[in-house]
Amino acid sequence: QVHLVESGGGVVQPGRSLRLSCAASGFTFNKYAMQWVRQAPGKGLEWVAVISYGGDNIHYADSVKGRFTVSRDNSLNTVYLQMNDLRREDTAVYYCARDRLWFVDFDYWGQGSLVTVSS
Amino acid sequence: QSALTQPASVSGSPGQSITISCTGTSSDVGGYNFVSWYQQHPGTAPKLIIYEISHRPSGVSDRFSAAKSGNTASLTISGLQAEDGADYYCSSYSSSNTYLFGTGTKVTVL
Repeated sequence: QVHLVESGGGVVQPGRSLRLSCAASGFTFNKYAMQWVRQAPGKGLEWVAVISYGGDNIHYADSVKGRFTVSRDNSLNTVYLQMNDLRREDTAVYYCARDRLWFVDFDYWGQGSLVTVSS
Repeated sequence: QSALTQPASVSGSPGQSITISCTGTSSDVGGYNFVSWYQQHPGTAPKLIIYEISHRPSGVSDRFSAAKSGNTASLTISGLQAEDGADYYCSSYSSSNTYLFGTGTKVTVL
Protein backbone atom coordinates (compact mmCIF):
# COMPACT_ATOMS: atom_id res chain seq x y z
CA GLN A 1 0.00 0.00 0.00
CA VAL A 2 1.47 3.33 -1.10
CA HIS A 3 2.02 5.77 1.72
CA LEU A 4 3.44 9.30 1.63
CA VAL A 5 4.01 11.25 4.83
CA GLU A 6 5.12 14.88 4.83
CA SER A 7 6.80 16.52 7.79
CA GLY A 8 8.70 19.68 8.66
CA GLY A 9 5.99 22.29 8.34
CA GLY A 10 5.40 25.05 10.85
CA VAL A 11 5.44 28.79 11.42
CA VAL A 12 8.40 30.71 10.05
CA GLN A 13 9.23 34.40 9.70
CA PRO A 14 9.51 36.03 6.27
CA GLY A 15 12.97 35.65 4.80
CA ARG A 16 13.75 32.53 6.82
CA SER A 17 14.12 28.92 5.64
CA LEU A 18 12.34 25.62 6.18
CA ARG A 19 12.83 22.09 4.88
CA LEU A 20 9.98 19.71 4.23
CA SER A 21 10.43 15.96 4.02
CA CYS A 22 8.23 13.35 2.41
CA ALA A 23 8.77 9.74 3.45
CA ALA A 24 7.52 7.14 1.00
CA SER A 25 6.66 3.49 1.46
CA GLY A 26 4.75 0.72 -0.28
CA PHE A 27 6.36 1.07 -3.70
CA THR A 28 9.76 1.05 -5.41
CA PHE A 29 10.67 4.65 -4.67
CA ASN A 30 13.64 4.90 -7.04
CA LYS A 31 11.43 4.11 -10.05
CA TYR A 32 9.16 7.15 -9.72
CA ALA A 33 9.46 10.88 -10.13
CA MET A 34 8.06 12.86 -7.24
CA GLN A 35 6.17 16.12 -7.20
CA TRP A 36 5.45 18.94 -4.75
CA VAL A 37 2.12 20.76 -4.95
CA ARG A 38 0.85 23.48 -2.61
CA GLN A 39 -2.52 24.93 -1.70
CA ALA A 40 -2.86 28.31 -0.03
CA PRO A 41 -5.68 28.60 2.52
CA GLY A 42 -9.01 28.61 0.71
CA LYS A 43 -7.31 28.58 -2.69
CA GLY A 44 -6.65 26.12 -5.48
CA LEU A 45 -3.80 23.76 -6.21
CA GLU A 46 -0.48 25.10 -7.45
CA TRP A 47 2.29 22.94 -8.87
CA VAL A 48 5.66 23.66 -7.20
CA ALA A 49 8.38 21.28 -8.38
CA VAL A 50 9.23 17.87 -9.82
CA ILE A 51 12.28 15.65 -9.41
CA SER A 52 12.97 12.64 -11.61
CA TYR A 53 13.46 9.16 -10.21
CA GLY A 54 17.24 9.53 -10.34
CA GLY A 55 17.25 13.12 -9.12
CA ASP A 56 18.99 14.47 -12.22
CA ASN A 57 16.00 16.14 -13.88
CA ILE A 58 14.36 18.90 -11.84
CA HIS A 59 11.92 21.65 -12.70
CA TYR A 60 10.28 24.44 -10.71
CA ALA A 61 7.34 26.79 -10.98
CA ASP A 62 8.40 30.36 -11.71
CA SER A 63 6.97 31.46 -8.35
CA VAL A 64 9.59 29.45 -6.42
CA LYS A 65 12.49 29.23 -8.85
CA GLY A 66 15.74 30.36 -7.24
CA ARG A 67 14.32 30.05 -3.71
CA PHE A 68 13.20 26.43 -3.43
CA THR A 69 15.30 23.31 -4.01
CA VAL A 70 13.93 19.80 -4.38
CA SER A 71 16.13 16.77 -3.72
CA ARG A 72 15.76 13.11 -2.90
CA ASP A 73 17.58 10.32 -1.11
CA ASN A 74 16.63 7.01 -2.69
CA SER A 75 18.39 5.09 0.09
CA LEU A 76 15.96 6.63 2.57
CA ASN A 77 12.90 6.68 0.28
CA THR A 78 12.56 10.37 1.01
CA VAL A 79 12.10 13.51 -1.05
CA TYR A 80 12.84 16.97 0.31
CA LEU A 81 11.80 20.54 -0.38
CA GLN A 82 14.24 23.15 0.88
CA MET A 83 12.48 26.50 1.01
CA ASN A 84 14.60 29.63 1.39
CA ASP A 85 13.73 33.33 1.53
CA LEU A 86 10.16 32.48 2.42
CA ARG A 87 7.45 35.02 1.67
CA ARG A 88 3.95 35.45 3.11
CA GLU A 89 2.52 34.22 -0.19
CA ASP A 90 4.29 30.88 0.35
CA THR A 91 1.85 30.14 3.17
CA ALA A 92 0.12 26.93 2.14
CA VAL A 93 -0.39 23.24 2.72
CA TYR A 94 2.41 21.47 0.87
CA TYR A 95 1.69 18.05 -0.60
CA CYS A 96 4.12 15.57 -2.00
CA ALA A 97 2.75 13.27 -4.67
CA ARG A 98 3.93 10.34 -6.73
CA ASP A 99 4.23 11.06 -10.43
CA ARG A 100 2.61 8.16 -12.27
CA LEU A 101 4.77 8.48 -15.39
CA TRP A 102 6.60 11.83 -15.88
CA PHE A 103 4.73 15.09 -15.62
CA VAL A 104 1.52 13.29 -16.55
CA ASP A 105 -0.51 12.93 -13.38
CA PHE A 106 -0.11 12.27 -9.68
CA ASP A 107 -1.63 9.02 -8.48
CA TYR A 108 -0.83 9.10 -4.75
CA TRP A 109 -0.68 12.08 -2.39
CA GLY A 110 0.49 12.66 1.14
CA GLN A 111 -1.72 14.24 3.77
CA GLY A 112 0.04 17.60 3.46
CA SER A 113 2.17 19.78 5.72
CA LEU A 114 1.14 23.32 6.62
CA VAL A 115 3.70 26.08 6.23
CA THR A 116 2.78 29.48 7.64
CA VAL A 117 5.00 32.46 6.87
CA SER A 118 4.29 35.18 9.36
CA SER A 119 6.13 37.64 11.56
CA GLN B 1 2.12 29.98 -16.02
CA SER B 2 -1.59 30.81 -15.82
CA ALA B 3 -4.05 28.38 -14.32
CA LEU B 4 -6.50 26.52 -16.53
CA THR B 5 -10.00 28.04 -16.42
CA GLN B 6 -12.86 26.23 -14.70
CA PRO B 7 -16.28 27.46 -13.54
CA ALA B 8 -16.20 28.40 -9.88
CA SER B 9 -19.23 26.30 -9.02
CA VAL B 10 -21.63 23.75 -10.47
CA SER B 11 -24.65 22.26 -8.75
CA GLY B 12 -27.15 19.52 -9.41
CA SER B 13 -29.77 17.37 -7.75
CA PRO B 14 -29.18 13.74 -6.82
CA GLY B 15 -29.42 11.52 -9.86
CA GLN B 16 -28.73 14.30 -12.33
CA SER B 17 -25.64 14.72 -14.51
CA ILE B 18 -23.33 17.69 -14.40
CA THR B 19 -20.37 18.71 -16.55
CA ILE B 20 -17.32 20.76 -15.56
CA SER B 21 -15.29 22.45 -18.25
CA CYS B 22 -11.56 23.14 -18.23
CA THR B 23 -10.17 25.58 -20.77
CA GLY B 24 -6.53 25.98 -21.58
CA THR B 25 -4.45 26.71 -24.65
CA SER B 26 -2.65 24.83 -27.38
CA SER B 27 0.43 24.85 -25.11
CA ASP B 28 -1.24 22.72 -22.49
CA VAL B 29 -4.70 21.12 -22.74
CA GLY B 30 -4.85 21.31 -26.51
CA GLY B 31 -1.29 20.23 -27.11
CA TYR B 32 -1.02 17.04 -25.06
CA ASN B 33 -3.12 14.00 -24.16
CA PHE B 34 -2.18 14.43 -20.50
CA VAL B 35 -5.26 16.03 -18.97
CA SER B 36 -6.20 14.66 -15.58
CA TRP B 37 -8.86 15.40 -12.98
CA TYR B 38 -8.69 15.41 -9.19
CA GLN B 39 -11.40 15.32 -6.54
CA GLN B 40 -10.77 16.99 -3.18
CA HIS B 41 -13.04 16.83 -0.17
CA PRO B 42 -12.56 19.49 2.53
CA GLY B 43 -9.50 18.94 4.68
CA THR B 44 -8.20 16.04 2.62
CA ALA B 45 -5.61 15.53 -0.10
CA PRO B 46 -6.64 15.51 -3.76
CA LYS B 47 -7.52 12.17 -5.34
CA LEU B 48 -6.83 11.28 -8.95
CA ILE B 49 -10.11 10.32 -10.68
CA ILE B 50 -9.25 10.69 -14.37
CA TYR B 51 -5.92 10.43 -16.18
CA GLU B 52 -4.83 10.83 -19.80
CA ILE B 53 -8.03 12.65 -20.75
CA SER B 54 -10.55 9.87 -20.12
CA HIS B 55 -9.10 6.94 -18.19
CA ARG B 56 -10.29 6.03 -14.69
CA PRO B 57 -7.90 4.60 -12.08
CA SER B 58 -8.92 1.35 -10.48
CA GLY B 59 -11.62 1.88 -7.88
CA VAL B 60 -13.02 5.11 -9.33
CA SER B 61 -16.73 5.00 -10.06
CA ASP B 62 -17.76 4.73 -13.71
CA ARG B 63 -20.15 7.60 -13.03
CA PHE B 64 -17.11 9.79 -13.73
CA SER B 65 -16.28 10.28 -17.38
CA ALA B 66 -14.18 12.83 -19.25
CA ALA B 67 -13.24 14.01 -22.70
CA LYS B 68 -11.31 16.68 -24.57
CA SER B 69 -12.00 18.79 -27.63
CA GLY B 70 -9.40 21.24 -28.79
CA ASN B 71 -8.24 23.38 -25.89
CA THR B 72 -11.12 22.41 -23.61
CA ALA B 73 -11.47 19.32 -21.46
CA SER B 74 -14.60 18.29 -19.58
CA LEU B 75 -15.56 16.07 -16.66
CA THR B 76 -19.06 14.63 -16.41
CA ILE B 77 -20.51 13.17 -13.24
CA SER B 78 -23.56 11.03 -13.92
CA GLY B 79 -26.12 9.92 -11.36
CA LEU B 80 -24.99 12.62 -8.94
CA GLN B 81 -24.69 11.44 -5.34
CA ALA B 82 -24.23 13.33 -2.08
CA GLU B 83 -20.66 12.02 -1.76
CA ASP B 84 -19.76 13.74 -5.05
CA GLY B 85 -19.96 17.12 -3.35
CA ALA B 86 -16.33 18.28 -3.42
CA ASP B 87 -13.86 20.49 -5.25
CA TYR B 88 -12.68 19.29 -8.64
CA TYR B 89 -9.48 20.33 -10.40
CA CYS B 90 -8.34 19.65 -13.92
CA SER B 91 -4.65 19.61 -14.74
CA SER B 92 -2.33 19.34 -17.69
CA TYR B 93 1.29 19.19 -18.63
CA SER B 94 2.34 22.47 -20.17
CA SER B 95 5.19 23.26 -22.52
CA SER B 96 8.54 24.32 -21.06
CA ASN B 97 8.40 21.61 -18.39
CA THR B 98 5.69 23.04 -16.19
CA TYR B 99 2.42 21.65 -14.90
CA LEU B 100 -0.84 23.53 -14.58
CA PHE B 101 -3.90 23.02 -12.42
CA GLY B 102 -7.31 24.44 -13.10
CA THR B 103 -8.86 27.15 -10.95
CA GLY B 104 -11.10 24.56 -9.31
CA THR B 105 -14.84 23.92 -9.32
CA LYS B 106 -16.99 23.44 -6.25
CA VAL B 107 -19.69 20.85 -6.88
CA THR B 108 -22.78 21.15 -4.73
CA VAL B 109 -25.35 18.38 -4.55
CA LEU B 110 -28.68 20.07 -3.87
